[in-house]
Amino acid sequence: EAQVTQNPRYLITVTGKKLTVTCSQNMNHEYMSWYRQDPGLGLRQIYYSMNVEVTDKGDVPEGYKVSRKEKRNFPLILESPSPNQTSLYFCASSFRGQDNEQFFGPGTRLTVL
Amino acid sequence: DQQVKQNSPSLSVQEGRISILNCDYTNSMFDYFLWYKKYPAEGPTFLISISSIKDKNEDGRFTVFLNKSAKHLSLHIVPSQPGDSAVYFCAASGWGSGTYKYIFGTGTRLKVLA
Repeated sequence: EAQVTQNPRYLITVTGKKLTVTCSQNMNHEYMSWYRQDPGLGLRQIYYSMNVEVTDKGDVPEGYKVSRKEKRNFPLILESPSPNQTSLYFCASSFRGQDNEQFFGPGTRLTVL
Repeated sequence: DQQVKQNSPSLSVQEGRISILNCDYTNSMFDYFLWYKKYPAEGPTFLISISSIKDKNEDGRFTVFLNKSAKHLSLHIVPSQPGDSAVYFCAASGWGSGTYKYIFGTGTRLKVLA
C-alpha cells in the first residue's frame, strides 16, 4: 500500500531533550516536506527536500533540522525542543515538488513541557 | 504575512445544497493551486487542483474556479453530503526568487447538516 508513515504518532517530552520524528514514504517520491499545524495558522512548511541531499527552508525553520540521505526517509530533528514547538506535525511527499499533489502522513502530536 | 488566506473559518450548509469555499492569495509567483480535505486525526488528502493557465477544473461533485486577476479561487461542492464535513485547506505553489513555495491557507471547517 502506498503510504507515508510517521513515528511516533504521539510524543510528550521536556524542554531541551533532543528528539527525532521519522518520516518514510514507499512511493519513490522525489519531494518531501514537513509541516506544522497550529490553531488559526493552518499548515506551515518547516523544511522541504527536492531530492536526496537537497533540502531547503520553508516558512518556519527555526529550531528544526532535517536530513535527506535516502530518497524514502526525511527525519525531522529538534535539537533542543521548546514549548512553542508544541504542535501537530505532518510529513508529506510528492512525485516532484511543483504541480503535484502531496501525500500526507497521519501526523505526530508533540507536546513539549 | 499570510500569502494564502481563507477568510471564513467555518461554513455550515444543508445537505444537497451547494458549498462554496473561498481562498485568496497575494503573490503572483503562484501558478498551481490545490485543495485538500482533512478529517480529524488524519493527514490532509488531496481533492482537486488547477493550473494558472485554466480558470476551471471539475471532478465529479467538486469544481475549482480560478480568477487570476482577482487572485481568488473557490471550491464548489454540489450537492453537499454529510461525509463532506471536514476542514478544507487551499494551497498555492510556485517558484519565486530562486525558491519553491508551497503555501497553505488557514483552513475552513465545513459542516454539512443532514
